[in-house]
Amino acid sequence: QITLKESGPTLVKPTQALTLTCTFSGFSLTTSGVGVAWIRQPPGEALEWLALIFWDDDKRYSPSLKNRLTISKDIFKNQVVLTMTNMDPVDTATYYCAHRYHSGFDSWGQGTLVTVSS
Amino acid sequence: SYVLTQPPSVSVAPGKTARVTCAANDIGGKSVHWYQQRPGQAPILIISYNSARPSGIPGRFSGSNSGNTATLIISGVEAGDEADYYCQVWDSTSDPPLYVFGTGTKVTVL
Repeated sequence: QITLKESGPTLVKPTQALTLTCTFSGFSLTTSGVGVAWIRQPPGEALEWLALIFWDDDKRYSPSLKNRLTISKDIFKNQVVLTMTNMDPVDTATYYCAHRYHSGFDSWGQGTLVTVSS
Repeated sequence: SYVLTQPPSVSVAPGKTARVTCAANDIGGKSVHWYQQRPGQAPILIISYNSARPSGIPGRFSGSNSGNTATLIISGVEAGDEADYYCQVWDSTSDPPLYVFGTGTKVTVL
């Protein structure tokens, strides 16, 4: 059974950086084809894909946020970390991590709400 | 960028059939995935690769994809189907390739 759980701050100030951690179980990020993505959802709005990291350390980013995002993995801790710099109130959202299943996402974490406010 | 357009809302009576569309240029040439998101919950994959149902998803959910429109079909709608639904594709034609979600559709059971 695949499980994922997001953790990190619930409140960040504008211009600060946000670091979120996704801790997972039920699969290994050393297995060929496996990937973990970050996806966010502002309150009342649609889902937005942010970044994805593959088993071979290949990384993909949303072009609109590429300059602000860094994704990395720790295979020993079964974790994927997302860092987003220069946070703004418009970045207020629930942030999800998800297990990539071919070209979709078959398992999601519960999400973590991050509010950007001074 | 590749945009997936969904109707903001669809209303359906219990027991009837709901159809949620996802429109984009030549979407029929891509694989479409559908997610259900109930209020306050994380999305759940309900249809993968246009029409495949993951384990545990009721047979009432089905999908099709052709031309410029993909469609999620919910037959025999139940009150518990009231949720937001999102389509999603992997746009391999973009440089770099990226994952795209639709604008979302709120399904209301009357």
